[in-house]
Amino acid sequence: EAQVTQNPRYLITVTGKKLTVTCSQNMNHEYMSWYRQDPGLGLRQIYYSMNVEVTDKGDVPEGYKVSRKEKRNFPLILESPSPNQTSLYFCASSLWCEEQYFGPGTRLTVT
Amino acid sequence: GNSVTQMEGPVTLSEEAFLTINCTYTATGYPSLFWYVQYPGEGLQLLLKATKADDKGSNKGFEATYRKETTSFHLEKGSVQVSDSAVYFCALSVLANQAGTALIFGKGTTLSVSS
Repeated sequence: EAQVTQNPRYLITVTGKKLTVTCSQNMNHEYMSWYRQDPGLGLRQIYYSMNVEVTDKGDVPEGYKVSRKEKRNFPLILESPSPNQTSLYFCASSLWCEEQYFGPGTRLTVT
Repeated sequence: GNSVTQMEGPVTLSEEAFLTINCTYTATGYPSLFWYVQYPGEGLQLLLKATKADDKGSNKGFEATYRKETTSFHLEKGSVQVSDSAVYFCALSVLANQAGTALIFGKGTTLSVSS
């Protein structure tokens, strides 16, 4: 089944404790992206990648890192999480920046 | 810069009512336009798209026409159902830089349909 998977689905952590949210797709898509969704702000892009080793900042990259060492994986790294990074995170992939396939979301709480 | 503005919600309708959700955009070049839908507890799914001016996207009874002259891509449905209750996002894709294209979303409009 074609899908985008994210792990974990729910995470509660404390300020400053490094964490990684994994994202994997099985559709051989070149394009992958991370978004955060916040009430009243909609969906905002954090980082995106058009191919292996090619990444770029979206609208809200501060406090986040990504890597794209393999085509199927695009982990999101929070080196030192802060409470303002409490949010719902979505990973997405596509062949081009057209029809994006979204993962189920990761709800992160930073206390 | 590039941006998407869609009408604020929530929108509350009775079953079989007519739906319009307004969306306007600002973009350089010739963007592709999309409507995505998010059902409760799920990720976003593509609802419909249009890639050039005057194109009409349609799916599941929903329609939207790419209007370059008014920079709009309004979502319409003639008769909504309770199962259409969801959050709807208008979006555009633009050429960014060496990493390719970027997808820019509106803030989303919550639709609630009652029977």
